[in-house]
Amino acid sequence: NAGVMQNPRHLVRRRGQEARLRCSPMKGHSHVYWYRQLPEEGLKFMVYLQKENIIDESGMPKERFSAEFPKEGPSILRIQQVVRGDSAAYFCASSPIFLEDRGREQYFGPGTRLTVT
Amino acid sequence: LAKTTQPISMDSYEGQEVNITCSHNNIATNDYITWYQQFPSQGPRFIIQGYKTKVTNEVASLFIPADRKSSTLSLPRVSLSDTAVYYCLVGVDTGRRALTFGSGTRLQVQP
Repeated sequence: NAGVMQNPRHLVRRRGQEARLRCSPMKGHSHVYWYRQLPEEGLKFMVYLQKENIIDESGMPKERFSAEFPKEGPSILRIQQVVRGDSAAYFCASSPIFLEDRGREQYFGPGTRLTVT
Repeated sequence: LAKTTQPISMDSYEGQEVNITCSHNNIATNDYITWYQQFPSQGPRFIIQGYKTKVTNEVASLFIPADRKSSTLSLPRVSLSDTAVYYCLVGVDTGRRALTFGSGTRLQVQP
């Protein structure tokens, strides 16, 4: 069973360009979470999605950022008109459809490191 | 989610037992205590989760006193590969909600 997959692992964009980050959750998982991590800091929640639904986007900046999790295909985090401050590691996590007593953890992908030049 | 406080960093040597304590004075009745481990350039990895008393798995033990206002992650006989940042999180239904990560504890294991 493959883990959470993210691509690309590294992404370089010039200021003003668009960045698209992809996340494929673990098989059987229908809940996806996106987090951002700046150097030497903990992860900060951005958005929580289920298939075709945004459940919680309270951590997402109001402008330039959007996320989707279509019925088919990976979840996409999209950053329009990137600025230097968007440089960070972006992690995706997933959790299963049904939670058992021990199933409360989220499984994280390896992250996408975005560098804005 | 309840606020947590843990040491910024700890140093240890190979073969020693390491105990990292996390304070969570405002823990709610339904909250679980979860620990994650993060290596450089990788996503966090779930280590252990508990509600009360003691939980043990193949990686670590988690000790939770009766008042649940703190918890201690215990790593037996650490090796160099245990050098990582360890995060303590407290909350309910953490498979269905945003996780709130603090700055974690940076553990450095020396040879």
